[in-house]
Amino acid sequence: GAVVSQHPSRVICKSGTSVKIECRSLDFQATTMFWYRQFPKQSLMLMATSNEGSKATYEQGVEKDKFLINHASLTLSTLTVTSAHPEDSSFYICSAREGGPGNTIYFGEGSWLTVV
Amino acid sequence: AQKVTQAQTEISVVEKEDVTLDCVYETRDTTYYLFWYKQPPSGELVFLIRRNSFDEQNEISGRYSWNFQKSTSSFNFTITASQVVDSAVYFCALRGNTGGFKTIFGAGTRLFVKA
Repeated sequence: GAVVSQHPSRVICKSGTSVKIECRSLDFQATTMFWYRQFPKQSLMLMATSNEGSKATYEQGVEKDKFLINHASLTLSTLTVTSAHPEDSSFYICSAREGGPGNTIYFGEGSWLTVV
Repeated sequence: AQKVTQAQTEISVVEKEDVTLDCVYETRDTTYYLFWYKQPPSGELVFLIRRNSFDEQNEISGRYSWNFQKSTSSFNFTITASQVVDSAVYFCALRGNTGGFKTIFGAGTRLFVKA
């Protein structure tokens, strides 16, 4: 299957700082990328959908000024958590899809964010 | 509205037992896609299968098999002769052709396979 890579896999940051997570599609061009958040022992919650070259579409309740998403190329999307707080600590997973909406989406390895 | 229900929160079996993970979905879309993903303790989501709404043919892949029944809106997943390495959380997911083609996940079923 297609490969999606996330970096970093684990990051610890201080409260009030910003942290960037990268998501790359390694062997295909991702026209659409998705960012999910997963709390321990819970399901995945979609945060936002981003199409290459356009602004991300955020789900209801997700602060767009806090979770900045950039999808500048067909192989890279970034999620920046600004002014991070301990409640932002979570597992963040990106996924990517090549082509149309019926195609399979593939997930990155996920990034564990801990805000201290 | 779209919804995916995985009623089994946790299942525990002994190695070599067969186990079926249930998935029931709700959608008003006429065209939709169903998925199963595996999430081992390391966290990454591994794609297992995709099924289109217009294709009710069941599928077998090694020890895995899937039973898709539109009449009962179910897409169940069976692991035959389970192994310890099958221990993981399994998510069923649904994507419809409305609502921006968002993929909605069930709550997941945590499978423990004991040696």
